[in-house]
Amino acid sequence: EIVMTQSPATLSVSPGERATLSCRASQSVSSNLAWYQQKPGQAPRLLIYGASTRATGIPARFSGSGSGTEFTLTISSLQSEDFAVYYCQQYNNWPSMYTFGQGTKLEIK
Amino acid sequence: QVQLVQSGAEVKKPGASVKVSCKASGYTFTSYYMHWVRQAPGQGLEWMGIINPSGGSTSYAQKFQGRVTMTRDTSTSTVYMELSSLRSEDTAVYYCARAPRGDDAFDIWGQGTMVTVSS
Repeated sequence: EIVMTQSPATLSVSPGERATLSCRASQSVSSNLAWYQQKPGQAPRLLIYGASTRATGIPARFSGSGSGTEFTLTISSLQSEDFAVYYCQQYNNWPSMYTFGQGTKLEIK
Repeated sequence: QVQLVQSGAEVKKPGASVKVSCKASGYTFTSYYMHWVRQAPGQGLEWMGIINPSGGSTSYAQKFQGRVTMTRDTSTSTVYMELSSLRSEDTAVYYCARAPRGDDAFDIWGQGTMVTVSS
């Protein structure tokens, strides 16, 4: 089973600043990595797929990078609506397993 | 517009079964895979399984093998997830989520269905 580990668990950043979230896979997932945003009481929303491609309608301040086992989600200038929980997910193992990280909570500093 | 609309909240007793539905609209139902993901209160996301609405083939996470069944009805563009032998640890929000291919991210999610297991 591929284990996805996100860091940090909680990240405190001021509006307007840059946020960098990390995700590590226990074995290579190539570029089959997605990032999701989830706000309280809402379903997750796809932000990034293929490690670096923004989903439809996602602002350019969100960017993803990495391949293999190390991945990063960067939010260049935080807006108030960006404070949420972010999950990474690998989908390299289909159809047997699609693993999520435990999440990073991005909170206002 | 593309949307997935799930059935309403359920309260079940331990040992019972629950069947959650997910009705798709705004796209060709058989052209996209459907996943089920659950989220216990205050916890992260847990993948349960996938169904191909075109042929009905399924693959389940090992943790749920023997307890989960995913089916579809192409006439109503609806997928179903049935979980049996419920226990308190199954209390969670259950989501359906669409993916363009089996090896792809989940681009559209349902609103979630809260299932509470309590005696």
